[in-house]
Amino acid sequence: EPEVTQTPSHQVTQMGQEVILRCVPISNHLYFYWYRQILGQKVEFLVSFYNNEISEKSEIFDDQFSVERPDGSNFTLKIRSTKLEDSAMYFCASSGDRPSSGANVLTFGAGSRLTVL
Amino acid sequence: SQQGEEDPQALSIQEGENATMNCSYKTSINNLQWYRQNSGRGLVHLILIRSNEREKHSGRLRVTLDTSKKSSSLLITASRAADTASYFCVLIYNQGGKLIFGQGTELSVKP
Repeated sequence: EPEVTQTPSHQVTQMGQEVILRCVPISNHLYFYWYRQILGQKVEFLVSFYNNEISEKSEIFDDQFSVERPDGSNFTLKIRSTKLEDSAMYFCASSGDRPSSGANVLTFGAGSRLTVL
Repeated sequence: SQQGEEDPQALSIQEGENATMNCSYKTSINNLQWYRQNSGRGLVHLILIRSNEREKHSGRLRVTLDTSKKSSSLLITASRAADTASYFCVLIYNQGGKLIFGQGTELSVKP
């Protein structure tokens, strides 16, 4: 069964450092997403991406965050200068369905745990 | 708030029993989905129900949707220890494609 792959599974970084989280979505999917889950809290939407541009972003996704699809397979989330409160599990997801289709089912990766010290 | 409110927050049952989780919301939705998350792992899509549907089944899962009451329920029949996980009600609104997750119900099935 096709999978969404995320690397690294766990990253520990110092406050103020840049972090890049990588995702390989399912190959024929066109819609990509990042969500995050702070320990013990709900899953929060960060950003959606389609056709090489951001479709929608939340208030969490400020100037410290950026996303990129550098080639035909990878989808990355960059945090420019990490803060303690960025510690969370970050989930990448992809979908073959248009958001407006009303059947927008996402396939999630296993997540990348980011710990900021 | 756009997210669903789930009830109960935690549920502990014996293997073989049925588990029912409820979700209520405030604003009209396009569709509602249920996802499952095993501890510390990724999220897995379980079932989608559209706003014009009332009930859907998938294996041991049964989902109902009452748009007049703005509520949904997920029933897992004949539960197994492997069903132990967090279950999330996820809302999709007409105006956008993003999924809005509720707080989740933590289900524990004891063997």
